Amino acid sequence: GAGVSQTPSNKVTEKGKYVELRCDPISGHTALYWYRQSLGQGPEFLIYFQGTGAADDSGLPNDRFFAVRPEGSVSTLKIQRTERGDSAVYLCASSLGRSQGAGEQFFGPGTRLTVL
Amino acid sequence: EDQVTQSPEALRLQEGESSSLNCSYTVSGLRGLFWYRQDPGKGPEFLFTLYSAGEEKEKERLKATLTKKESFLHITAPKPEDSATYLCAVQRYGGATNKLIFGTGTLLAVQP
Repeated sequence: GAGVSQTPSNKVTEKGKYVELRCDPISGHTALYWYRQSLGQGPEFLIYFQGTGAADDSGLPNDRFFAVRPEGSVSTLKIQRTERGDSAVYLCASSLGRSQGAGEQFFGPGTRLTVL
Repeated sequence: EDQVTQSPEALRLQEGESSSLNCSYTVSGLRGLFWYRQDPGKGPEFLFTLYSAGEEKEKERLKATLTKKESFLHITAPKPEDSATYLCAVQRYGGATNKLIFGTGTLLAVQP
């Protein structure tokens, strides 16, 4: 079956611009996560959705970052007024619900964001 | 504060030379410890979940073990295709989150 897909694979933007990154999770996975990975680092948690609601957004660095999942499937990560420090690979993952096995998160290929 | 530390940062092996990667963790209530493999330019690929001390899991040349303070990923007779970054992550009990807390990874290079 299809895995997690993310679009675009690469995004180059200018400082101050707005960007949207899209994630399409594995069918049937109710949990969806966004992580950010800088070079040489492990993924860093941003936000977790259970269904349509954000159950944990404690990792969002500031109010320029926002994510939605209106129908409980596809999610969009939105970054306003981008800064050079936002440059990183943005990873999306999905998993089954909160029961055991929910920790087995399956990752997409990521979107490489470069802010010039 | 929850923390994951992986060592070594990088490891170079000859094909067939077995070794182990270490993941030390501090977490208030471990729900699970996870190993992932990440190839350059790709997302992490799930390998194993370990839930309790003493648990072991195997897959081909890889074996993961867990104690109360650390986990090891043993690689037996590695091949060049095992070259990748290996990431360890923990998940804690409680709260509304299922987030994973990752270490910085071990970059493994296996030379033929």
